Amino acid sequence: KNEVEQSPQNLTAQEGEFITINCSYSVGISALHWLQQHPGGGIVSLFMLSSGKKKHGRLIATINIQEKHSSLHITASHPRDSAVYICVISNFGNEKLTFGTGTRLTIIP
Amino acid sequence: NAGVMQNPRHLVRRRGQEARLRCSPMKGHSHVYWYRQLPEEGLKFMVYLQKENIIDESGMPKERFSAEFPKEGPSILRIQQVVRGDSAAYFCASQTDRGNTEAFFGQGTRLTVV
Repeated sequence: KNEVEQSPQNLTAQEGEFITINCSYSVGISALHWLQQHPGGGIVSLFMLSSGKKKHGRLIATINIQEKHSSLHITASHPRDSAVYICVISNFGNEKLTFGTGTRLTIIP
Repeated sequence: NAGVMQNPRHLVRRRGQEARLRCSPMKGHSHVYWYRQLPEEGLKFMVYLQKENIIDESGMPKERFSAEFPKEGPSILRIQQVVRGDSAAYFCASQTDRGNTEAFFGQGTRLTVV
């Protein structure tokens, strides 16, 4: 079993829909990151969380440390949000970054 | 601070040649990670280095691949005698010396072996 599991693997939605991407992990962490990778391949760091909730524009990220779960939400989705979203954990202790397999999001105009 | 810089962005090598990929971390960052992304696949961990030390190389192929992060200069991922299966995007990330700090990622080097 992977240490980091994301769901769904693929998500297609209409423009304007509210999007939720989930990330579950099985080890103790010191932080969790959400990344965005566009078709061109470049990676952008969206959030780093160790507790609670963060908001940046239309993006919201939450984490529940007790349940070992994080969610990334996108409000009023737009075609330019189409990308792969990747959850990354920073393992507590050895501080190694472990990647989820990613969620491919497609927003249809 | 220019962010994590990787070069070259694109690298073409013939089978049997050597590939050298460079990663300059953010200023003040002493932790570097290398990841490989095969076509249509997710990012896979290769190696984790701190200055002058390899901390975890559990994701590195046993042969032909090596990595270093010298006291001065960028981190280097070296692939000797490249084969077609080495064609991939190679990303590096850097952090400061604590795991609960933000990781920053380079734009990647796309290696094509012909």
